[in-house]
Amino acid sequence: DVKVTQSSRYLVKRTGEKVFLECVQDMDHENMFWYRQDPGLGLRLIYFSYDVKMKEKGDIPEGYSVSREKKERFSLILESASTNQTSMYLCAAQGEPYEQYFGPGTRLTVT
Amino acid sequence: RKEVEQDPGPFNVPEGATVAFNCTYSNSASQSFFWYRQDCRKEPKLLMSVYSSGNEDGRFTAQLNRASQYISLLIRDSKLSDSATYLCVVTRNYGQNFVFGPGTRLSVLP
Repeated sequence: DVKVTQSSRYLVKRTGEKVFLECVQDMDHENMFWYRQDPGLGLRLIYFSYDVKMKEKGDIPEGYSVSREKKERFSLILESASTNQTSMYLCAAQGEPYEQYFGPGTRLTVT
Repeated sequence: RKEVEQDPGPFNVPEGATVAFNCTYSNSASQSFFWYRQDCRKEPKLLMSVYSSGNEDGRFTAQLNRASQYISLLIRDSKLSDSATYLCVVTRNYGQNFVFGPGTRLSVLP
């Protein structure tokens, strides 16, 4: 089984802080994704990456950036956290043919 | 209109009941379709893929109607352990992106 881990389960940050969320997969999958999940809205794609140093915007990239320096690691960065970024953040790695394996999620609260 | 729509529920059914969920999608170019299951405070996990010919996995049956752009999931003989949120998923951009529905919550009652 693919294992996807995320650096924190719960995180509390202040408005304006820079926030790093890290995601690591233990398989050699090229495609990795960052989503946020909010009640009634479902999972929404923030950014994704097909390979090292490659990144593509998803549906809601504003206020976020990403970094993929190594194949197994995909980081989500909130440059200046705001209260409307309080959410559950889920990272996924995509296997073949299309199954996405999710990490346990990081519940971020911005106060 | 949202790209993928689902009835949020909750669907409260007794053990042993048969329950069906529908999901509609707006992008006719969507190529692949899935049902994911998400337990409370857990991450989503693949339940099954959905094929044009329909497919069955034990008590679960998935159907796809491309003409009407909807997907269904049927659960027979519901178990308490089936209680979860069921997410409908379609792909776009040649399978590169997944679009998740908001989910349908199922509670199976003893």
